[in-house]
Amino acid sequence: EVQLMESGGRVVRPGESLRLSCAASAFNFEEYDMSWVRQAPGKGLEWVSTINWNDNSTSYADSVKGRFTISRDNTRNSLFLQMNTLRAEDTALYYCVRRDYDSRGYSWFDPWGQGTLVTVSS
Amino acid sequence: YELTQPPSVSVSPGQTARITCSGDVLPKEFVYWYQQKLGQAPVLIIYKDRERPSEIPERFSGSSSGTTVTLTISGVQAEDEADYYCQSADSSGSYVVFGGGTKLTVL
Repeated sequence: EVQLMESGGRVVRPGESLRLSCAASAFNFEEYDMSWVRQAPGKGLEWVSTINWNDNSTSYADSVKGRFTISRDNTRNSLFLQMNTLRAEDTALYYCVRRDYDSRGYSWFDPWGQGTLVTVSS
Repeated sequence: YELTQPPSVSVSPGQTARITCSGDVLPKEFVYWYQQKLGQAPVLIIYKDRERPSEIPERFSGSSSGTTVTLTISGVQAEDEADYYCQSADSSGSYVVFGGGTKLTVL
């Protein structure tokens, strides 16, 4: 069974940094784009970032661009999110998600991890 | 770009629920639907507007018409009570957007 296990979430103060990790198992991690999606308490889903499987190219939501960096280590089947200059509005449950795809390149989020909670508060 | 969903939909058990997702890009881009039950991670239930993963019950279906895509749940069951999110992406697939979510209440 495909599994994604996030870790690293905790309470931090505004302006601080945090690194999230996601351990993947039971699939060929190096063959998939991977993403982070977050959900603020009581709010909807917000895509954060995606990293390409092939060339490690990245994309970011405008809300985190310049502050967050997504990366991966295919030798360790791991995905990371380095979050700098954190703000109160970054408080959310952060999900690690695989981007599954078909032969034409259309992709969707499946499966999702259980999430790791980041709280930014003074 | 934006995807617009109704905040809430209510139906009685056995009835049909329809949840819409509207956006100007939808005639050109596919929509994906996720179900999120209380306290759980989202689960993919529909991909490419109308395709259903094998493990998803047949009562879930998707359709599209112009700028609106619709998730239909036929014969709603109590266990279908959840938040439902639509999602799309730009033509490169790099930039993703979610709808605001629809809370389905089973009366």
